[in-house]
Amino acid sequence: AQSVTQPDIHITVSEGASLELRCNYSYGATPYLFWYVQSPGQGLQLLLKYFSGDTLVQGIKGFEAEFKRSQSSFNLRKPSVHWSDAAEYFCAAVFGNEKLTFGTGTRLTIIP
Amino acid sequence: DVKVTQSSRYLVKRTGEKVFLECVQDMDHENMFWYRQDPGLGLRLIYFSYDVKMKEKGDIPEGYSVSREKKERFSLILESASTSQTSMYLCASSSPQAGGYNEQFFGPGTRLTVL
Repeated sequence: AQSVTQPDIHITVSEGASLELRCNYSYGATPYLFWYVQSPGQGLQLLLKYFSGDTLVQGIKGFEAEFKRSQSSFNLRKPSVHWSDAAEYFCAAVFGNEKLTFGTGTRLTIIP
Repeated sequence: DVKVTQSSRYLVKRTGEKVFLECVQDMDHENMFWYRQDPGLGLRLIYFSYDVKMKEKGDIPEGYSVSREKKERFSLILESASTSQTSMYLCASSSPQAGGYNEQFFGPGTRLTVL
């Protein structure tokens, strides 16, 4: 079945440290891939997306993600996190239609 | 900028009440979506609509219905609210793109509590 998996429910990193959030998908082809961020009490904001082409995608707020076909992964990275990055992050995919399928989310906590 | 607004940020209702959640978008998008968000489950699609008066069931439509009488407005209806429907509800909209996919824009959400 088509699915998106975020294996980490909660991650804690120190401010200024690097970050990597994991996302894997299950699908027979390459889906459209997205990362969304949800700050407390807010709706979802698109960070970046991958449709095709260059496998390293740059997004807003200093985030990037790398698509790896061999690993069915689309991991989100940031070289140096800020306290304002504390939020919940969702990986999502479109498997051949207009509907987004979301992962279960990763909550990011930043410690001083 | 696209703006998606939802009628209430917080709502408290009693079991058995009929509940209306309203969503309005201002970018003339054809597609509109209703999701519910629960801890550990991510976002799950309840219903979506590709055009006025058209609706399609998502992954968890049971206990819900929708209405789309105007292009900019998409309503989610809980005919008889139950405690299991306590959740965060998110609305989104997008415009279709042949052979591709366009970003969905989300509203701020309505946190519904059913007592």
